[in-house]
Amino acid sequence: QKEVEQDPGPLSVPEGAIVSLNCTYSNSAFQYFMWYRQYSRKGPELLMYTYSSGNKEDGRFTAQVDKSSKYISLFIRDSQPSDSATYLCAMSDNYGQNFVFGPGTRLSVLP
Amino acid sequence: NAGVTQTPKFQVLKTGQSMTLQCAQDMNHNSMYWYRQDPGMGLRLIYYSASEGTTDKGEVPNGYNVSRLNKREFSLRLESAAPSQTSVYFCASSAGLPPNTQYFGPGTRLTVL
Repeated sequence: QKEVEQDPGPLSVPEGAIVSLNCTYSNSAFQYFMWYRQYSRKGPELLMYTYSSGNKEDGRFTAQVDKSSKYISLFIRDSQPSDSATYLCAMSDNYGQNFVFGPGTRLSVLP
Repeated sequence: NAGVTQTPKFQVLKTGQSMTLQCAQDMNHNSMYWYRQDPGMGLRLIYYSASEGTTDKGEVPNGYNVSRLNKREFSLRLESAAPSQTSVYFCASSAGLPPNTQYFGPGTRLTVL
């Protein structure tokens, strides 16, 4: 079993839809949870991060962590074609070490 | 601030040739990383440097060497390139303190014929 798993997609949605992207993990030591966005032929860029369980909102993006289920989610409201990218989750332990990336989910938002 | 910069952006090599990929960051970060990204494989860590003067192997170090030249610069060398090293290479840096989020460069697209 891989340490962090994501559905690779591709996930295609119509413009304006609510998108749900998810990761599962196996290491209970993870405390910091991050989401990166990677446009085609670009480097990953940090979208947001959360610490431990709970929700965090930033504009149209909401990150949710459920440590009891070892499950994290990124919700995108009112999705736009400019949101079309690969989304990678990442996580690290309480010291910021043992940093691990998920393989990424490719999202296409259709006009 | 430029963030993390990488040179070159593209490179084509023949099998057996050598080359060095350069990376520099201007965020005063302690830690730097080299990844490769292949279709369906995600990001795989090649080497990292937790601080100036130290380097450690990651998941896929074979065929590569690194040098942490100073706090700003971290280079990746391929001594004898092989077709299996065709990939996109990303350099990243982080502060080294929690949450230790990593900031990426634009990547180098390498093809080995």
